[in-house]
Amino acid sequence: GAVVSQHPSWVICKSGTSVKIECRSLDFQATTMFWYRQFPKQSLMLMATSNEGSKATYEQGVEKDKFLINHASLTLSTLTVTSAHPEDSSFYICSARDPGLGDTGELFFGEGSRLTVL
Amino acid sequence: GQNIDQPTEMTATEGAIVQINCTYQTSGFNGLFWYQQHAGEAPTFLSYNVLDGLEEKGRFSSFLSRSKGYSYLLLKELQMKDSASYLCAVRDSNYQLIWGAGTKLIIKP
Repeated sequence: GAVVSQHPSWVICKSGTSVKIECRSLDFQATTMFWYRQFPKQSLMLMATSNEGSKATYEQGVEKDKFLINHASLTLSTLTVTSAHPEDSSFYICSARDPGLGDTGELFFGEGSRLTVL
Repeated sequence: GQNIDQPTEMTATEGAIVQINCTYQTSGFNGLFWYQQHAGEAPTFLSYNVLDGLEEKGRFSSFLSRSKGYSYLLLKELQMKDSASYLCAVRDSNYQLIWGAGTKLIIKP
């Protein structure tokens, strides 16, 4: 199956700093990638849809200036958490569909990145 | 509003069968998905239903009734490794995925 890789898996940073998380589709081209956030014992919350070559589409309530998304190529999307605060500590997961598989709708997820802001 | 309901937690015995239910109310319907998520890991795809009926895949089966807004995931011959959260998700008319909160399944020996 299609592979999506996310890096880093774990990151600890100080409050006020910025953290960049990378999401790569390894064996397919993804014009669209999705960024989710998941708090403990809660469901996945879609943050934004990342579109290659254009601006990301953010969900209601997600701050565009705080969560910067860049989708510069067909295989890479990045999420930068700017001026991180402890309340941003969460599990961030990216996903993508492989267009070569047709419209099954199946999402392939990265490994996830656990962010802890001190 | 859009809503996906599934039980928060279920417990079952190794070797047994368990059924995890999911009911949904969404703006349109373009498929229902089940994902498995082990603690601290990303979800992995289990099944996809777009038509009514039962889809069987090894020990796992998924059922859909669109008229009732209802699905279930059936796990047979439970193994300890099946301990995980099971997420139900529905794709709405805008092809957006609406996620349930997940059902934590605990398998006991």
